[in-house]
This record gives sequence, structure tokens and C-alpha cells, in this order.
Amino acid sequence: ILNVEQSPQSLHVQEGDSTNFTCSFPSSNFYALHWYRWETAKSPEALFVMTLNGDEKKKGRISATLNTKEGYSYLYIKGSQPEDSATYLCAFREPQGNKLVFGAGTILRVKS
Amino acid sequence: EADIYQTPRYLVIGTGKKITLECSQTMGHDKMYWYQQDPGMELHLIHYSYGVNSTEKGDLSSESTVSRIRTEHFPLTLESARPSHTSQYLCASSGHDRVGYNSPLHFGNGTRLTVT
Repeated sequence: ILNVEQSPQSLHVQEGDSTNFTCSFPSSNFYALHWYRWETAKSPEALFVMTLNGDEKKKGRISATLNTKEGYSYLYIKGSQPEDSATYLCAFREPQGNKLVFGAGTILRVKS
Repeated sequence: EADIYQTPRYLVIGTGKKITLECSQTMGHDKMYWYQQDPGMELHLIHYSYGVNSTEKGDLSSESTVSRIRTEHFPLTLESARPSHTSQYLCASSGHDRVGYNSPLHFGNGTRLTVT
């Protein structure tokens, strides 16, 4: 059974702070790693799909890096804003099939 | 602007009732999925479909069933609801890419089911 771990479980930061969190996944037979943002009362929204070791992706103030050899991805938010408050999910594409295995998420709360 | 729709958004129902959770997408995606999530826990895949008349069970055992008679429609049915079915159910779809499994998921807003 694949295990995808996210840390920390939750994070409270002040507006303007930069922050980052981690997703750990099995390092063998890597296919793809997804990041999603899930705001309260909305549906999860895809941020990034990462496929190559060393990949770096950026979307506005949010960026992500990928290390497939050691099995981790970091998500960074620069200058956090209250609208960044959400649960951030990562998901690992399992080798045997076409399915995503999700982590439990990191809950981010940004105080103004 | 949602391209994938779930109804109802909230449902409170008594034990033993039959329920169907609806999911429709307008993107023409072949792949559709049902995930179940309990508070603070991971999303767990309970059913998926790669196209019309194709359905498979996911990693988490579920007493629910699904059907895929049309590309855009992927309903989930519980024949006899029980309190243990109380959870949030999320429907998702993904399109085809060259590799086949790197397309992001598009999620609906979810159905929060409470069985009393």
C-alpha cells in the first residue's frame, strides 16, 4: 500500500510571511506528483502536475519543486495572503495503474 | 465556473434508504472517479471509470455501486444507507494526455452525506 505523507498537518502564518510544506512519497517507480489547493466550500483545484526529477513549477506566488530520487516535493508560498488559506493536497500517481494516492493535506491559515 | 457538477450538495437521510449521488461533467473526459473523505483524512478512491460501460472498484472497499452509461454521467448509488456511510463524496474527471496519466483531476463540489 503506497503511503503519501504531508507535513505539517496545519500551519498558521501572518499575512506577508513566506511558507513551505512537504509531500513525501515512494521514490521507486515514480510517474507523477500532483498538487491541489482546496478552499473551504469549494472544489479542489489543480496547481501543478510534476513529472521530472528537479522539476520546478511556478504559478504566481506559489511554486513547487520535485526530488524523485529521495521522494519528496516542496510547495512554497511567497508573501502569504489571507486568500491563500486552504488545504493543500499532494497526490502520487501509483506505478501499477492510473490512480492517484492522496496525502491527508496541509491546512494553511493566513491571518491578516 | 464549474464544468463538473455534483448533486445534492448536502444530504441527510435515514438508515435503510436508497440514495443516488449524481455527477456530470461537460468536458468530454473519458476518466471519472469517486473519492470518499472523512474529516482530517485522505481522499480515498472508491470507484473509477475509463469510459462508457467501464467501471472498477478503487482502493477503499465501498458498499456503493456506480454506472457509466454515458460519458458525461457517473452516478453513485447506495442501496441501503447506514450511519457508517456518513462522509464526504467527491467526484472527479480527467482528460486524455499523450502519456495517459498526467492530466490533473477536475473535481466537483462534493456531496456531504449524513445517515441518521
